[in-house]
Amino acid sequence: AQKVTQAQTEISVVEKEDVTLDCVYETRDTTYYLFWYKQPPSGELVFLIRRNSFDEQNEISGRYSWNFQKSTSSFNFTITASQVVDSAVYFCALNTGGFKTIFGAGTRLFVKA
Amino acid sequence: ETGVTQTPRHLVMGMTNKKSLKCEQHLGHNAMYWYKQSAKKPLELMFVYSLEERVENNSVPSRFSPECPNSSHLFLHLHTLQPEDSALYLCASSQDDRGGGNTIYFGEGSWLTVV
Repeated sequence: AQKVTQAQTEISVVEKEDVTLDCVYETRDTTYYLFWYKQPPSGELVFLIRRNSFDEQNEISGRYSWNFQKSTSSFNFTITASQVVDSAVYFCALNTGGFKTIFGAGTRLFVKA
Repeated sequence: ETGVTQTPRHLVMGMTNKKSLKCEQHLGHNAMYWYKQSAKKPLELMFVYSLEERVENNSVPSRFSPECPNSSHLFLHLHTLQPEDSALYLCASSQDDRGGGNTIYFGEGSWLTVV
């Protein structure tokens, strides 16, 4: 069975702090894809990143970075020098083929000025 | 500007009403999705259409009726809903007609309240 666990329900930080959002996934498939999405209060889920299971290289995009570790089935997301505009709900997701993408429960991030 | 647009953004309807949610994607994608997002529940996949054919239907009550007239448009027809159907309904699209790891792009959602 496939599963995505985001153990952190809510995180609160002060602006300029670094914050890491955890994501642990479960699958027996060897080919799979992992995603992160951001959902601001407006409602739209904004795509942030997609990784396939054969590419374990970490990625950095501006203040965002992702750490993919197959050994621990984790795909963690770090925001460096957080800003108030980063306040949102962040979802990790898993697709093992076909049209069903499984989403985690989400982590709500509050960044205080 | 989002490549997936949904209307209306907010809808309040009575339990005996009939209404429809509309979605349009401007990305040239082949697959379109309806998701439901309720408070304290994970995102639930409701329906998937690929090349205008329904390919996923996840035990959704018949009071929700999808329609996909072409690969750019998707509707969700609502009738005799229950208060527990109040939620954010998200439309999405992806490029490939086989699914399989394609990135899903979401619209801003339609906030539905059933009274």
